[in-house]
Amino acid sequence: ILNVEQSPQSLHVQEGDSTNFTCSFPSSNFYALHWYRWETAKSPEALFVMTLNGDEKKKGRISATLNTKEGYSYLYIKGSQPEDSATYLCAPRRTSYGKLTFGQGTILTVHP
Amino acid sequence: DTAVSQTPKYLVTQMGNDKSIKCEQNLGHDTMYWYKQDSKKFLKIMFSYNNKELIINETVPNRFSPKSPDKAHLNLHINSLELGDSAVYFCASSQGGTSGLTDTQYFGPGTRLTVL
Repeated sequence: ILNVEQSPQSLHVQEGDSTNFTCSFPSSNFYALHWYRWETAKSPEALFVMTLNGDEKKKGRISATLNTKEGYSYLYIKGSQPEDSATYLCAPRRTSYGKLTFGQGTILTVHP
Repeated sequence: DTAVSQTPKYLVTQMGNDKSIKCEQNLGHDTMYWYKQDSKKFLKIMFSYNNKELIINETVPNRFSPKSPDKAHLNLHINSLELGDSAVYFCASSQGGTSGLTDTQYFGPGTRLTVL
């Protein structure tokens, strides 16, 4: 069983705050790490796929880093906005054929 | 245009019934998946098909049977529904094959199944 842990489980911040959360996963047999954003009543939406140790990805105010040797990834949001409120899921992939194992997610609420 | 669509969106049925959920993708992807969102809100893979061939089959009761008539469709049939089958089921698709390590999955809107 692949143990994927995300912390914190939930987070409340004020509009304009910067925030970050963590995804931890076993470092063995690593292929890729996916981050998804999941708004209430919608479907999960892909943010990033990272494959190499030290990878950094950026999309607007959201960025992510990857450490495959120690098995963690950080997701950062700069200047949070209410529309950033969502559940952020990470999912490492340990096989070549696409099986993702999702963490429970970090629920972010940004208050105006 | 909806990339990955599922029908129905809501399904309420009695225990013991047989039901199907349909999934279609118009992205031209080769690989499709079924996930179940469990009671703790985890998304857990159930099945995956690549070009109509089953490639992932997790430990799922054999009352659940996926069917892929073509690579744009992956349907989920559930026999003899039980209370514990109540959940949200998500379909997803990805390019698969040669897209390699960065293969990204695109999710449908989910089907909320309630078994009474």
